Amino acid sequence: QSALTQPASVSGSPGQSITISCTGTSSDVGSYNLVSWYQQHPGKAPKVMIFEVSKRPSGVSDRFSGSKSGNSASLTISGLQADDEAYYYCCSFARGGPFVLFGGGTKLTVL
Amino acid sequence: EVHLLESGGALVQPGGSLRLSCAASGFNFNNYDMSWVRQAPGKGLEWVSAIGGGGGGTYYADSVKGRFTISRDNSKNTLYLQLNSLRDEDTAVYFCAKGFARDYFEYWGQGTLVTVSS
Repeated sequence: QSALTQPASVSGSPGQSITISCTGTSSDVGSYNLVSWYQQHPGKAPKVMIFEVSKRPSGVSDRFSGSKSGNSASLTISGLQADDEAYYYCCSFARGGPFVLFGGGTKLTVL
Repeated sequence: EVHLLESGGALVQPGGSLRLSCAASGFNFNNYDMSWVRQAPGKGLEWVSAIGGGGGGTYYADSVKGRFTISRDNSKNTLYLQLNSLRDEDTAVYFCAKGFARDYFEYWGQGTLVTVSS
């Protein structure tokens, strides 16, 4: 199975909203509500922002939201802030191995 | 507070071996699946391997199957990854993470760098 497909980059101005897409197949994103999203600043460990498609861990801002339709999932960040500038990775459970698939990552630039 | 601390990364020649460790604290280690995820320089995340909470069940990405072995010592709250027959393309930062497929990766360590080069 191939990695999930994400745009290489997105950008937005402070205060704006952006959406990052994540496209999989019926063997992963399309079949399970087990999509998560991770934020990674350069040189740091990833941090979970969304799990099970749309749930936020304690401590994550409600400016971050997730959704899914068919074989695609999305992460929306509203009210963009400078510190949101980072790489974002989607992740999904995948049937039959390799069990876990990541997207290739999207670099978010806050203009 | 949950802490995951990896160690064991090093420069190793192609064909060589290495053992990575991940010391866990702040949660009931033996109750949870644990994973290794790696990131090659300038690249994205790649799930490598996972092990079930009770030590039952080990899982590997095709790219490392037959070369890497995951294990855990619940008495020491420590996760391991034995890396054998290393290749240039195994060069990466290796993160340990709490969680696996039907969970999510709730906590991550800071990573340990493995460089495979002659």
